[in-house]
Amino acid sequence: GQSLEQPSEVTAVEGAIVQINCTYQTSGFYGLSWYQQHDGGAPTFLSYNALDGLEETGRFSSFLSRSDSYGYLLLQELQMKDSASYFCAPGGGNMLTFGGGTRLMVKP
Amino acid sequence: DTAVSQTPKYLVTQMGNDKSIKCEQNLGHDTMYWYKQDSKKFLKIMFSYNNKELIINETVPNRFSPKSPDKAHLNLHINSLELGDSAVYFCASSQHFGSTGLSGNTIYFGEGSWLTVV
Repeated sequence: GQSLEQPSEVTAVEGAIVQINCTYQTSGFYGLSWYQQHDGGAPTFLSYNALDGLEETGRFSSFLSRSDSYGYLLLQELQMKDSASYFCAPGGGNMLTFGGGTRLMVKP
Repeated sequence: DTAVSQTPKYLVTQMGNDKSIKCEQNLGHDTMYWYKQDSKKFLKIMFSYNNKELIINETVPNRFSPKSPDKAHLNLHINSLELGDSAVYFCASSQHFGSTGLSGNTIYFGEGSWLTVV
């Protein structure tokens, strides 16, 4: 079957670093994507990991460990505009699975 | 230019009515989707079409019927609306179906259609 776990909510202060963890179980796994969604907006693509290790894109980095069925999104130098929901989406069986996401609140 | 556009953005309707949401993508993608996002932000796939053919049909009441007249359009028709259908419906598209390995398969979402059934 398929399962997906990530924290429902995380709070951090401006300028800090926050890590959003994701554990998953999906058949035919091919990679892990991360999407960001601001309130009232559409989910937008952030990053994709097909191989183990860390991918860096500016202030955001994403990590994958296929053997542990685990990944995380690392956000550095947090800004108020980073307040949003973040979805990890494991790809398996030719489709992405989204869940409830993690709501990140950045405080001054 | 809007990549994935859907209309209407807001829809308030009474129980029992029938309504449609239209979606168009100008990205030249082969695959289109409908997702439902509930009040708890849970985002769940409903349908997926690849080159106008239905390829994913998750457990969705048959009151929901997608139609793809061509690969740039995927409309969603809902019959006999119920209170529990209130949600945000996102249309989306991707270049192809499934993954090409290292490059993944980015999904581009429309702005959503806020459906409220009263």
